[in-house]
Amino acid sequence: DTEVTQTPKHLVMGMTNKKSLKCEQHMGHRAMYWYKQKAKKPPELMFVYSYEKLSINESVPSRFSPECPNSSLLNLHLHALQPEDSALYLCASSQGGVQPQHFGDGTRLSIL
Amino acid sequence: AQSVSQHNHHVILSEAASLELGCNYSYGGTVNLFWYVQYPGQHLQLLLKYFSGDPLVKGIKGFEAEFIKSKFSFNLRKPSVQWSDTAEYFCAVNHFGNEKLTFGTGTRLTIIP
Repeated sequence: DTEVTQTPKHLVMGMTNKKSLKCEQHMGHRAMYWYKQKAKKPPELMFVYSYEKLSINESVPSRFSPECPNSSLLNLHLHALQPEDSALYLCASSQGGVQPQHFGDGTRLSIL
Repeated sequence: AQSVSQHNHHVILSEAASLELGCNYSYGGTVNLFWYVQYPGQHLQLLLKYFSGDPLVKGIKGFEAEFIKSKFSFNLRKPSVQWSDTAEYFCAVNHFGNEKLTFGTGTRLTIIP
């Protein structure tokens, strides 16, 4: 089992809905990440938080809004998503810098 | 921007065969290299990593990888594969001072019993 917990595991939402994805780790890691993974493709970085501050935003559309309430939690707020946003959303954490990242199981998101 | 290439998209082997999966990266500076594995329905797991030192690194489950700086390569090897090695394998790279991890396109490995 992974030490990075993501909820929910599956989410189906309409294009006008607002929902949030949650990620939690208790390894004391200082960096947390959101990735998007389409079927049969590699994970693509979306956001990086370091010491609870946003350090990297890979030009992600504003309909995705990350939040890091504390060092253990990472949220991804979703609003007005498009069908092409359907994917597996992965959370990861690490000690920071170039240390290996630990991944969660992901949330499989479907936009109707 | 750095890029990572995995030229083998799908590899099919019989059990006990030897494995080598290719990985090449484009960044010319100091790099850190990783191999991750994603078993069907499971999360990405770290197989092994290279930061510095001995270019031959050993990971979990009998896997190893060799960093060849002159070839910008970090190929993954296993002398004798098992059916349970069926999975998607991703090579990933970041470089000194940069938290962004760039993944290769992945290699799907199918082991036939």
